[in-house]
Amino acid sequence: DTAVSQTPKYLVTQMGNDKSIKCEQNLGHDTMYWYKQDSKKFLKIMFSYNNKELIINETVPNRFSPKSPDKAHLNLHINSLELGDSAVYFCASSPRPEFTDTQYFGPGTRLTVL
Amino acid sequence: KQEVTQIPAALSVPEGENLVLNCSFTDSAIYNLQWFRQDPGKGLTSLLLIQSSQREQTSGRLNASLDKSSGRSTLYIAASQPGDSATYLCAVFSGNTPLVFGKGTRLSVIA
Repeated sequence: DTAVSQTPKYLVTQMGNDKSIKCEQNLGHDTMYWYKQDSKKFLKIMFSYNNKELIINETVPNRFSPKSPDKAHLNLHINSLELGDSAVYFCASSPRPEFTDTQYFGPGTRLTVL
Repeated sequence: KQEVTQIPAALSVPEGENLVLNCSFTDSAIYNLQWFRQDPGKGLTSLLLIQSSQREQTSGRLNASLDKSSGRSTLYIAASQPGDSATYLCAVFSGNTPLVFGKGTRLSVIA
């Protein structure tokens, strides 16, 4: 019954590696998001996809590449991981892209880069 | 540039108390404001969404108010319970930018 799910929940890796985080929502929403919550607890949007198309890219380094195979999935691939990438990454979804609707968040993926 | 501030950063209260969490934002031209709850190891749960035309929203023991002109919102929790312990975040949508979040207030309700 999980509405927005993410895998893995924890990810520990070495600098320079490439890793992916997967997100799936079963709410039938058109829009999905990736957020990053850093060590200071600031939560900031990274990307937003609407019906598999990128609509928001908040000046995220191009080492981060989101991919949406269908509107229920939004995966995040990170190349050449750096120490500063350590954070909790949250996926979210909403019915529409205008931020006028409630957003539903996944449980988060805690990424630690050593 | 919209900035969201939440005070206090942490709050500890005995069970049963009523309490108020504060959120302020610098640009009053907002479309809506949301209050979220974040539990450790879990995602954010949306509690209340207030549109710019509304002054308050209620859900159970929670009441959120919005004063756009002064750039403030409050989340009132009545008869607090230990299960209310969590971090509470507010986020605003201003139209030009995606949701901007505050850093949250960490609430501990002591039994």
